[in-house]
Amino acid sequence: NAGVTQTPKFRVLKTGQSMTLLCAQDMNHEYMYWYRQDPGMGLRLIHYSVGEGTTAKGEVPDGYNVSRLKKQNFLLGLESAAPSQTSVYFCASSYSVQGNQPQHFGDGTRLSIL
Amino acid sequence: GENVEQHPSTLSVQEGDSAVIKCTYSDSASNYFPWYKQELGKGPQLIIDIRSNVGEKKDQRIAVTLNKTAKHFSLHITETQPEDSAVYFCASAGGTSYGKLTFGQGTILTVHP
Repeated sequence: NAGVTQTPKFRVLKTGQSMTLLCAQDMNHEYMYWYRQDPGMGLRLIHYSVGEGTTAKGEVPDGYNVSRLKKQNFLLGLESAAPSQTSVYFCASSYSVQGNQPQHFGDGTRLSIL
Repeated sequence: GENVEQHPSTLSVQEGDSAVIKCTYSDSASNYFPWYKQELGKGPQLIIDIRSNVGEKKDQRIAVTLNKTAKHFSLHITETQPEDSAVYFCASAGGTSYGKLTFGQGTILTVHP
C-alpha cells in the first residue's frame, strides 16, 4: 500500500498564478485533512473533509479552496497565489470510527510563491 | 479554540541519555494526544498516542504521560540513539472535532554520538 500520496512534491509559482495540489489515499479513510507547515509554527489545519462530497474550513482557510469528489482524493486549490502562501503543505487521512484516530500523513508538497 | 504550547524548541542530548518534551493544552474537552516524529523531507509519522482515560502509555523506549488536571502531557525517550534525531510534534484533539488536530510548535531533538 502507498498510504497517502501527494503530488507534486515541489512547485514554484509566480504571484497571481493558480494551481491544484492533489492528495490520494488508498486506506479507505473517511476523513482527510490539509495542513500547512511554517517554521516555528507547527502544522495548521487549512480545510478538512469528513466524507466524499463534504468539506469544511479549518484554522487558516483564507485563499484556499478544496474539493472531495472521490473518497480517495482530496484536492487543495490556490486560485491566486500570494507570497504568504509559500509553505510546505501536508495531507493526512484517518478512519472515522468513534473517537479520534491516528492520522496518516503524506510527505508534503513544497510550494514557493515568487 | 484549542492552543497547544510545546517546550523546549530545541533539545540536545548525548547518546544514551533521556529526552523529555512537554506540552500544555488549553481546551479541557481535548481527549486525544498524539506525538509525531518528522524526519527531514518527510511527513510527520505517529510514534505514540494517549487518550484521556489513561495517565501513561509505553512503547519500548518511548513513553507518554498525561495530567488532565494540569492540562499537560509529556514525551519521554530513554536510551536515546542518533536515529532519534528529528523534529517532534505534540498535538491534541477533542471528542467532537472529527479528528482535527491542533499541533504544538515542534522540538528539534539532536542526539550526539
